[in-house]
Amino acid sequence: NAGVTQTPKFRILKIGQSMTLQCTQDMNHNYMYWYRQDPGMGLKLIYYSVGAGITDKGEVPNGYNVSRSTTEDFPLRLELAAPSQTSVYFCASSYGANQETQYFGPGTRLLVL
Amino acid sequence: AQSVAQPEDQVNVAEGNPLTVKCTYSVSGNPYLFWYVQYPNRGLQFLLKYITGDNLVKGSYGFEAEFNKSQTSFHLKKPSALVSDSALYFCAVRDSGQLNDYKLSFGAGTTVTVRA
Repeated sequence: NAGVTQTPKFRILKIGQSMTLQCTQDMNHNYMYWYRQDPGMGLKLIYYSVGAGITDKGEVPNGYNVSRSTTEDFPLRLELAAPSQTSVYFCASSYGANQETQYFGPGTRLLVL
Repeated sequence: AQSVAQPEDQVNVAEGNPLTVKCTYSVSGNPYLFWYVQYPNRGLQFLLKYITGDNLVKGSYGFEAEFNKSQTSFHLKKPSALVSDSALYFCAVRDSGQLNDYKLSFGAGTTVTVRA
């Protein structure tokens, strides 16, 4: 039982490049989330999904896209990378919403130059 | 709107001394409160949560937290700190009244350093 896994661990992008951050969970959780973590700012929700085929915007969705074709996978797409997207990205999942605990992956560190 | 404040950026304690990390929250309904810990270059690990019931919640690694509704606080405590407790700690809240809002609101984090 690996929990939540993310790839890659670290990536350097040039301005304007695109990439996909991968997230997979093996806990059969319905809910999945993408957060970004910036120093001194806590975590901000980018997008979330309540099940396969259903996604919605969080607090800071601009510049990102997501899809959820299966229960296990929730990739995050950056279409035109900008320096403001330099951050650490965390994927999380939970069985339900409300009081359910969210379980986090190890993170992807992204540097846009 | 829901929000969390962690008033201390850093907490420094000696090993063996009590450790407290402060958290206050703001919600319109009843809160669901969580504490997470992040070790360097790692993801967030769940420590404990308050949903309802007993105001004193016990969690992993000897940590506990006390929910205080009148003071809107959820401080994290450990009676005797270890050097290995040195990490970044996050408090988070969800408003139980916001049924279609799945967002967890996180505080900015408190860096705990336990010196030997």
